[in-house]
Amino acid sequence: EIVLTQSPGTLSLSPGERATLSCRASQIVTSSFLAWYQQKPGQAPRLLMYGASSRATGIPDRFSGSGSGTDFTLTISRLEPEDFAVYYCQQYTGSPWTFGQGTKVEIK
Amino acid sequence: EVQLVESGGGLVQPGGSLRLSCAASGFTFSSYWMSWVRQAPGKGLEWVANIKQDGSEKYYVDSVRGRFTISRDNAKNSLYLQMESLRAEDTTVYYCARIVVYDILTLPHYGMDVWGQGTTVTVSS
Repeated sequence: EIVLTQSPGTLSLSPGERATLSCRASQIVTSSFLAWYQQKPGQAPRLLMYGASSRATGIPDRFSGSGSGTDFTLTISRLEPEDFAVYYCQQYTGSPWTFGQGTKVEIK
Repeated sequence: EVQLVESGGGLVQPGGSLRLSCAASGFTFSSYWMSWVRQAPGKGLEWVANIKQDGSEKYYVDSVRGRFTISRDNAKNSLYLQMESLRAEDTTVYYCARIVVYDILTLPHYGMDVWGQGTTVTVSS
């Protein structure tokens, strides 16, 4: 099983700032089989990225993903008020699919 | 409108059973892999199971294998999760999700692009 460790646990930033979220895997994530999700309180998750760097439909271009192997990053170039949420990385290299524990982006 | 609506959650005693349902609408249900994902109160997301379009392939997380069964009825546009031998640690919100497959350089990449609102299962005596 691939364990995903996200850091930091909480990121305190102001609107307009840049957010950089990390996701590290316990073993190589083949072919960048990694996705990112956003979840707001009381809501279901929302798919942001797949293939580590491809944005899902309707996701604004201030969201970008990068990385390969065991180290992946989600960057939000300029935080909008609606971006304050919890973000999860998830790998789909093989069964079982696994999620990271999440990074909370909160308003400073 | 593309939509998934879960139902069937509730309070059940340890060792008991429960069947969750997920009604799909607004898309061709039979064309998609489907998934169940759960989330304990205040905790992160945990993938539970996937099922192929025709039900011929099923995958489970180790913690539920042998106790939970994912199934689907394409004629009814419905996904199910039959849960047996329930434990306290199964107390979570259960989401159904549609799996979309993206083709990048001939490799299939997956994303859960449509989610239901979740149904809560509480296992307690």
